[in-house]
Amino acid sequence: DVKVTQSSRYLVKRTGEKVFLECVQDMDHENMFWYRQDPGLGLRLIYFSYDVKMKEKGDIPEGYSVSREKKERFSLILESASTNQTSMYLCASSQRQSGKKETQYFGPGTRLLVL
Amino acid sequence: GENVEQHPSTLSVQEGDSAVIKCTYSDSASNYFPWYKQELGKRPQLIIDIRSNVGEKKDQRIAVTLNKTAKHFSLHITETQPEDSAVYFCAASLLSNDYKLSFGAGTTVTVRA
Repeated sequence: DVKVTQSSRYLVKRTGEKVFLECVQDMDHENMFWYRQDPGLGLRLIYFSYDVKMKEKGDIPEGYSVSREKKERFSLILESASTNQTSMYLCASSQRQSGKKETQYFGPGTRLLVL
Repeated sequence: GENVEQHPSTLSVQEGDSAVIKCTYSDSASNYFPWYKQELGKRPQLIIDIRSNVGEKKDQRIAVTLNKTAKHFSLHITETQPEDSAVYFCAASLLSNDYKLSFGAGTTVTVRA
């Protein structure tokens, strides 16, 4: 079974704080993704990575950065948290090879509240 | 980039009836269309997907249809059961090394007993 874990289920931070969200997968997947989920907006891609030290901007990268130093770990960083970053953050991973390997496996999510 | 629209945003059906969710996409090059189900408080999970070389795919009570010409695809759930109550997301992707998905806004399905 693919396992994608996220460091926290709930997080409360103050405006201006630097926030780290960690994601770890144990299936040797090349691709990793960070989404935020907001009611009525679905899942919006923030950043993704298809290899170690590689990163690509998604649809809403402003205010975020990422780090992928190891294949199994993908970190999302909020350099200076703001209240409009209050959201559910979901990490996902997938294999690179084509075939029946396109499935993205999601972590349990981190619900972040910025006060 | 790809833009995926999903309708309706909410859907209430009587147990045993069918549910249909429709999505449209903008990029004619997209060739992979998965559907994810997210139960309350849980993570999204893939329930079915279809590639652009087929028009329909079934898995027990779930089916997906694809119309490439019109750039829309639909999820059909037959004989709905209470456990089908969830948020359903459609997505579109151009199969490549990154498999980046563009998601619809989601449909909240409630099955009334």
